[in-house]
Amino acid sequence: DAGITQSPRYKITETGRQVTLMCHQTWSHSYMFWYRQDLGHGLRLIYYSAAADITDKGEVPDGYVVSRSKTENFPLTLESATRSQTSVYFCASRGTSGSVQYFGPGTRLTVL
Amino acid sequence: AQSVTQPDIHITVSEGASLELRCNYSYGATPYLFWYVQSPGQGLQLLLKYFSGDTLVQGIKGFEAEFKRSQSSFNLRKPSVHWSDAAEYFCAVGPLGNEKLTFGTGTRLTIIP
Repeated sequence: DAGITQSPRYKITETGRQVTLMCHQTWSHSYMFWYRQDLGHGLRLIYYSAAADITDKGEVPDGYVVSRSKTENFPLTLESATRSQTSVYFCASRGTSGSVQYFGPGTRLTVL
Repeated sequence: AQSVTQPDIHITVSEGASLELRCNYSYGATPYLFWYVQSPGQGLQLLLKYFSGDTLVQGIKGFEAEFKRSQSSFNLRKPSVHWSDAAEYFCAVGPLGNEKLTFGTGTRLTIIP
């Protein structure tokens, strides 16, 4: 499918487990982003990537790991999930020519 | 540091009435400004953006926004709302040439018949 997709859409896990959220885009956009959305906080940037093999921290990076070996994929890993990481996670991408970010449908993650 | 304030957490409007959602930003230079809409269970969709030029920006779904540098505001307006406009609206700011967007906390819009 064209556009930006996220998988899974819903995930329930337990404290201490490793979880990986996937993001895939078909536009060959250079930039990709991970946000978390929490009530009262809006969207906060976790990590972003300017190109394959280039990543940088956002506002709330602790407890998360990212990688970007291919332009189209940008997985987000919670190495040891905590209850405070219960949230809705959004992936976004944008090209180099403009600042408009296009968002995926989100992943709702619950950590028990 | 850049920041965005959306002072209204929740707004209720009658169908057919006009709407204005407030957004105030803090940034030292000319910013990129955006309004996104999020329907329940969905991702964010871009409504409109301001980069430069005309301070009144037209977007999709009949929305418009006005950039007022003197007031550091970028308020979203619609002359007549429809029940399908019920959603959460986010204002965002990003510096020119920088990829880091900062989002406001959002305004939830409820439409009553």
